[in-house]
Amino acid sequence: GQNIDQPTEMTATEGAIVQINCTYQTSGFNGLFWYQQHAGEAPTFLSYNVLDGLEEKGRFSSFLSRSKGYSYLLLKELQMKDSASYLCAAYNTDKLIFGTGTRLQVFP
Amino acid sequence: DAGVIQSPRHEVTEMGQEVTLRCKPISGHDYLFWYRQTMMRGLELLIYFNNNVPIDDSGMPEDRFSAKMPNASFSTLKIQPSEPRDSAVYFCASSLGMALYGYTFGSGTRLTVV
Repeated sequence: GQNIDQPTEMTATEGAIVQINCTYQTSGFNGLFWYQQHAGEAPTFLSYNVLDGLEEKGRFSSFLSRSKGYSYLLLKELQMKDSASYLCAAYNTDKLIFGTGTRLQVFP
Repeated sequence: DAGVIQSPRHEVTEMGQEVTLRCKPISGHDYLFWYRQTMMRGLELLIYFNNNVPIDDSGMPEDRFSAKMPNASFSTLKIQPSEPRDSAVYFCASSLGMALYGYTFGSGTRLTVV
């Protein structure tokens, strides 16, 4: 079967660092995506990890461990506009399977 | 590039009525995906097409749901008859190749069945 788990909600303070974890179990795994979704909007692509290790993109970084079925998204220097849902998605053969998302609230 | 275009943005219908959702993918993209999003279940893949051919419809909940892609620039998702439990946001997404660069999602159709 396929299973993707991530926390339902997280809160953090402006300027802080937050790490959103994701664990997955899926056959035919080809990589791990992270998407950002603001309320009432479409998901937008943040990052893609296919090899183990850390990928850094400005304030956002994503990590993958294929052997552990684990990924995280690291957000630094949090801003109010980072309040959104963050969706972890496993790339399975030729389709994306999404988790239910982590709703992040950033407070001043 | 206008992105993935979905219509309508909002749809309110009565139980038992037929509903048709429409999607225009990004020109040149060869994959098209239909997802449904609810608070409880998140984003669920319903069906996807490659070069206009349905590849996997295992996520389609039941026979009331059907999807077509008559050409590279248009796809429909139809629900007949609709039920209140079909209320959700339906997203269409497209990609070039096998999602190596991620999918581009449309703005979604918020469906409410009363």
